[in-house]
Amino acid sequence: KAGVTQTPRYLIKTRGQQVTLSCSPISGHRSVSWYQQTPGQGLQFLFEYFSETQRNKGNFPGRFSGRQFSNSRSEMNVSTLELGDSALYLCASSLALGQTYEQYFGPGTRLTVT
Amino acid sequence: AQSVTQPDIHITVSEGASLELRCNYSYGATPYLFWYVQSPGQGLQLLLKYFSGDTLVQGIKGFEAEFKRSQSSFNLRKPSVHWSDAAEYFCAVGGPTGGGNKLTFGTGTQLKVEL
Repeated sequence: KAGVTQTPRYLIKTRGQQVTLSCSPISGHRSVSWYQQTPGQGLQFLFEYFSETQRNKGNFPGRFSGRQFSNSRSEMNVSTLELGDSALYLCASSLALGQTYEQYFGPGTRLTVT
Repeated sequence: AQSVTQPDIHITVSEGASLELRCNYSYGATPYLFWYVQSPGQGLQLLLKYFSGDTLVQGIKGFEAEFKRSQSSFNLRKPSVHWSDAAEYFCAVGGPTGGGNKLTFGTGTQLKVEL
C-alpha cells in the first residue's frame, strides 16, 4: 500500500508570493491533518480535514488555508509569504477522525522563503 | 491547554547501552499519548501509543513506554540501542474524539548513538 505522498518535496519562494502544497493520503483514508515544523517552534498543528470539511484549526493567521477534495486529497495554501513561513510542512492521514486511528505522516514539503 | 515537555534536547548513548527518553505532559482529561521517531529527510513514524489499560506499552523496533499518571510522564525506553536508532524522537499528546486528530508535540530529543 502506498504511503502518504506530498508534492512538491522542495520549494523556494520569494516573500510576498503565495504557495500551494499538496497531500495525497493513503488509499481509503478520509482524514488529513497538516503540521508545520520549524527549529524554533517545533511541530505545530495547522488544521485537519474530514469529508471535505475543516474540523479543527490551529493558531495560525488567515494567510494559511486549506481544503480537501472528494477523493480525500488535500491542499494547503499560504498567501503573502513571510520569511518565518520557511518550514517543513507535514501532512498526516488516517482512516477517520479520532485518536484511536493511527496517523501516517508523509515525508513533508520543505518550503524556503527568501 | 495541553502541552508536552521533553526536557532533554540531545542525548548521546553508546551502542548496546540502554536508553530512556523523558516526556511529561499536561492534559485536562485522560490523555492519549504517543511516541514518534523522525529520521533525517523523513516524516514521522509512530513507535507506540497509549490510550488506556496496561500502563506499560510495547512498540516497534524494541521500544516500550510506561505511563505514570501520578508523575504525568510517558517515558520511552529501549534496553539495547542500535546505531540505526539515531534520530529525533517526539512525544505527543492527543485526546478523545472531540479533539479530532490534533496532536500536541514536544520539542523533540535528538538521539546520537556512539559506536
